[in-house]
Amino acid sequence: GESVGLHLPTLSVQEGDNSIINCAYSNSASDYFIWYKQESGKGPQFIIDIRSNMDKRQGQRVTVLLNKTVKHLSLQIAATQPGDSAVYFCAEGPDYNQGGKLIFGQGTELSVKP
Amino acid sequence: NAGVTQTPKFRILKIGQSMTLQCTQDMNHNYMYWYRQDPGMGLKLIYYSVGAGITDKGEVPNGYNVSRSTTEDFPLRLELAAPSQTSVYFCASTPNRDEQYFGPGTRLTVT
Repeated sequence: GESVGLHLPTLSVQEGDNSIINCAYSNSASDYFIWYKQESGKGPQFIIDIRSNMDKRQGQRVTVLLNKTVKHLSLQIAATQPGDSAVYFCAEGPDYNQGGKLIFGQGTELSVKP
Repeated sequence: NAGVTQTPKFRILKIGQSMTLQCTQDMNHNYMYWYRQDPGMGLKLIYYSVGAGITDKGEVPNGYNVSRSTTEDFPLRLELAAPSQTSVYFCASTPNRDEQYFGPGTRLTVT
């Protein structure tokens, strides 16, 4: 069935290092992918998105890579800072049969050591 | 814009009680969603709405009801609360079925 999963539930990095968070998806028909950041006690916040006709998209300190061949998505954070500590979710969709529903992965908790 | 607002922030219910979680957005978005998030898990879709007067079930609708009488408001109703409904509830909206904007969440405990 449909699923979006993450390879690692937790990731610990040193401040200033680059972080890579991975995500696998199973629905090859998905054409939109999005990364959210969720800080403790808050709702998910949009980080970056990518459509299936692209394989890379860059934002401010973040890059998303999409490999449709192996159905894999990654989020790269450059020069990780303590403020980047949060849970990161990938999501795929939208499912137009269900009002644009997004399918969320379990999440990876990123911990940044000073 | 205030974005997506949710009330209350926290609530404790006894088994069998009922309550309504409020969600309001001031961005004139047609699409609105209710998710629940269990500890250490991603978000599961409860109900969604593609516009005023139109609602439909998501993945986990049992035990919940919704209504959408206006574009701005999308309340979620719990009837006969059960411990399995202990969770954090998020409301979200989007203008175009892509990026969804989330509210701050309601943390509900049923004991």
